[in-house]
Amino acid sequence: AQKVTQAQTEISVVEKEDVTLDCVYETRDTTYYLFWYKQPPSGELVFLIRRNSFDEQNEISGRYSWNFQKSTSSFNFTITASQVVDSAVYFCALSEASRDGGSQGNLIFGKGTKLSVKP
Amino acid sequence: EAQVTQNPRYLITVTGKKLTVTCSQNMNHEYMSWYRQDPGLGLRQIYYSMNVEVTDKGDVPEGYKVSRKEKRNFPLILESPSPNQTSLYFCASSFKISQQQEAFFGQGTRLTVV
Repeated sequence: AQKVTQAQTEISVVEKEDVTLDCVYETRDTTYYLFWYKQPPSGELVFLIRRNSFDEQNEISGRYSWNFQKSTSSFNFTITASQVVDSAVYFCALSEASRDGGSQGNLIFGKGTKLSVKP
Repeated sequence: EAQVTQNPRYLITVTGKKLTVTCSQNMNHEYMSWYRQDPGLGLRQIYYSMNVEVTDKGDVPEGYKVSRKEKRNFPLILESPSPNQTSLYFCASSFKISQQQEAFFGQGTRLTVV
């Protein structure tokens, strides 16, 4: 069965610390897609990244980086030199190609990790 | 501007009074879906639609209805709301997965049923 686990419910760090948010997924599909979304206190969902199962290359975007490892079914997210504006709930999500015709709109979300960055 | 628009943003209603939350997208996406977000549970899919006149149940469909008469609109209907449907609701739309696009989310609708 498909499942996304974000074991860290809440994390609190001080500004400029690095922080890693963990995401472990379960799927029987060989083709799937992984996502990270940010939900700031204002409530909207902000897309951060999408990764295909056949592309294990890690990605860096400014202070954000993602480590995708199929061997451990993990897709971890690291924020370097955290800032107060990074405070939000972060969701990891999975979409399976074989489900409902392969549309990525059917996202399976983890329960989220609330990150608090204190000045 | 490409967007998914939900209305209303906030709604307080009473048990049993039918309500509709509207969702509209201007990106010509085939796929649309509804999620509810509850503390400690993350987001769970309620219903989805792969195209006009094609809808199917997600993980938590009980107490909800949807329709997809036009490609751009996907309203969520609560025929007889109950307090356990108090939640934050999100509409999302996307192209099919092969077109390398992410899902776009609306701003959310915070519903309280008293």
